Amino acid sequence: GAVVSQHPSRVICKSGTSVKIECRSLDFQATTMFWYRQFPKQSLMLMATSNEGSKATYEQGVEKDKFLINHASLTLSTLTVTSAHPEDSSFYICSARDDGAREKLFFGSGTQLSVL
Amino acid sequence: GNSVTQMEGPVTLSEEAFLTINCTYTATGYPSLFWYVQYPGEGLQLLLKATKADDKGSNKGFEATYRKETTSFHLEKGSVQVSDSAVYFCALSHSGGYNKLIFGAGTRLAVHP
Repeated sequence: GAVVSQHPSRVICKSGTSVKIECRSLDFQATTMFWYRQFPKQSLMLMATSNEGSKATYEQGVEKDKFLINHASLTLSTLTVTSAHPEDSSFYICSARDDGAREKLFFGSGTQLSVL
Repeated sequence: GNSVTQMEGPVTLSEEAFLTINCTYTATGYPSLFWYVQYPGEGLQLLLKATKADDKGSNKGFEATYRKETTSFHLEKGSVQVSDSAVYFCALSHSGGYNKLIFGAGTRLAVHP
């Protein structure tokens, strides 16, 4: 079946540094990808919708200057957490919608970010 | 606003036991409802879905019925296996598709031999 590769699976960084997370569709093209965040014991929350070749659409309350999204190709979207702080520590998950079967959504395995 | 509430885990069962994971939702109109499963080290996968009231979604022995009167979509399986150990997420979507999914917090299931 279709696979979405998300890297890294786990990252620890110092406060003030930036971290980039990659989301790659391996065997299909994805014009649209989604980024979610999950705090412990809370729901997966949609952060933004990433569109290839255009600006991402951010959900209310998500700082676009802090969470930079780049979707430069039909198979890759990146999320960069800039100037990370301990409160950004969370589980981040991406998903990609198959352009050839637009009702199908495939998820990455997630990235656990810990900011010290 | 729209939201999904599911029972806290972890749920620990012996093999062949009956499973119920409760899920209730708050939404206007008629959302589509989903259960996703995440096995260790893998991404979320769609397990089953229902798009209108009284629909029953089923897959791999799991079932869930869209109950509008109780705003629920409880997940059930008659006899769990060790291989069912995973995290289960209930979700809803108002777009009719999978664009904007609203998830519950997830319920971890551990099945022991």
